[in-house]
Amino acid sequence: AQKVTQAQTEISVVEKEDVTLDCVYETRDTTYYLFWYKQPPSGELVFLIRRNSFDEQNEISGRYSWNFQKSTSSFNFTITASQVVDSAVYFCALSEHYGGSQGNLIFGKGTKLSVKP
Amino acid sequence: EAGVAQSPRYKIIEKRQSVAFWCNPISGHATLYWYQQILGQGPKLLIQFQNNGVVDDSQLPKDRFSAERLKGVDSTLKIQPAKLEDSAVYLCASSQHNEQFFGPGTRLTVL
Repeated sequence: AQKVTQAQTEISVVEKEDVTLDCVYETRDTTYYLFWYKQPPSGELVFLIRRNSFDEQNEISGRYSWNFQKSTSSFNFTITASQVVDSAVYFCALSEHYGGSQGNLIFGKGTKLSVKP
Repeated sequence: EAGVAQSPRYKIIEKRQSVAFWCNPISGHATLYWYQQILGQGPKLLIQFQNNGVVDDSQLPKDRFSAERLKGVDSTLKIQPAKLEDSAVYLCASSQHNEQFFGPGTRLTVL
């Protein structure tokens, strides 16, 4: 069965600190996708990144970076020099790949990040 | 490009009443999803459509929840009768290939 675990329920940092959000996943599939979504107080889920299981190359996008390690089934997300606008709930998610299209998303419980000025 | 539209944004009902939510996906997106997000948890899939056919409804409480996607475009999700534990945000998402785009959600409160 697929499962996503985000062990950190809440994290509080001061602006400009770096912060890493952890994500551990379980799946028996060899082909799968991993995602991170941001959910600000407005409630809408904002897509941040998608990774497929064959691409373990780490990615950096501005202040955001992602570390995918298949050996430990982890897909961690780091925000460098955090800002108040980064305050939100962040979800890690997993989907299977079947029939040539993406399956439904299995979400973790989310990590609430509070960045204080 | 217009995003996923949902209405209403908020709904308050009493238990045992009925309620319906509407979703208009991004134009051209064949796959449509309904998720339930209970406060403090991640979204959980209720039902997935591919065009107007159901792909996965294994987690839909079929005794009270129903959904349809007529003509493979808009979709409605209905709860009849509602229970207190149905209080949640109901999110609609659509996708064409690999990325799901989410609507703003409908926040349901059952009193």
